[in-house]
Amino acid sequence: SAVISQKPSRDICQRGTSLTIQCQVDSQVTMMFWYRQQPGQSLTLIATANQGSEATYESGFVIDKFPISRPNLTFSTLTVSNMSPEDSSIYLCSVKVQGEKDTQYFGPGTRLTVL
Amino acid sequence: AQRVTQPEKLLSVFKGAPVELKCNYSYSGSPELFWYVQYSRQRLQLLLRHISRESIKGFTADLNKGETSFHLKKPFAQEEDSAMYYCALSGRGNTPLVFGKGTRLSVIA
Repeated sequence: SAVISQKPSRDICQRGTSLTIQCQVDSQVTMMFWYRQQPGQSLTLIATANQGSEATYESGFVIDKFPISRPNLTFSTLTVSNMSPEDSSIYLCSVKVQGEKDTQYFGPGTRLTVL
Repeated sequence: AQRVTQPEKLLSVFKGAPVELKCNYSYSGSPELFWYVQYSRQRLQLLLRHISRESIKGFTADLNKGETSFHLKKPFAQEEDSAMYYCALSGRGNTPLVFGKGTRLSVIA
C-alpha cells in the first residue's frame, strides 16, 4: 500500500489567484495522477504526472490552467491557475505502487472553494 | 473508449436485506475492475478488485465478461455499509482508473 498526504487539506481562494497543491507519498510509486471531484460528481482524471517531463493531460484540461510538476518518484504538485468559482472542487492525488499491480491509492484530497 | 456505467445514483435498502450495486463497463481489451468506497468524511479507499476474487466486509463482485458487468453484492446489508460506492476500470499496466458516477447506498435501520 501507500500513505499519501496532501497539502493543504482545504483552502478558500479569491477569483483570479492561483493555488499549488502538494502530494507526498511514502513509498516508491510507478505512476502519479491528479483527479478532480466536483461537488456531487464522480472523479475525473486531470493528468498523469510524469517524472522529469511534462504531464500528460486529459481532454478538457490544459497545462496553462493546471501546471503539474513531478521532480522525483514520491512528490508532485498541481497548480490551479487563475481560479474561478467553477474550479471549486476536491482535488485528489493518486498513485500506483511498485509491486502492487494495477492498484491505485488515493490521497485525502484538497477541498478548494473559489469565491 | 473506456466507460463505466453505474445506473443507480441512490440505492436504499433495509438492514439485513440483500444489496446489489450495478456496474457495467465498455473496454476493448482485458480490463481490471475495481470497487472503491467512500464513507462520510473519509478518503476514497479500495474495497475489492476482480483479480483477487476476495470478499471484503461481506461484499463480493464477479466479473462477467459476456455481460460486461461487475456488480457488487452483499447478502445482508449493515448500517455501516452506508457510503458512496464507485466502480472503476483500468487497462493493464500504467493506465489510470476511469470511474463510474457512483452509487450512494443508504442502509435503513
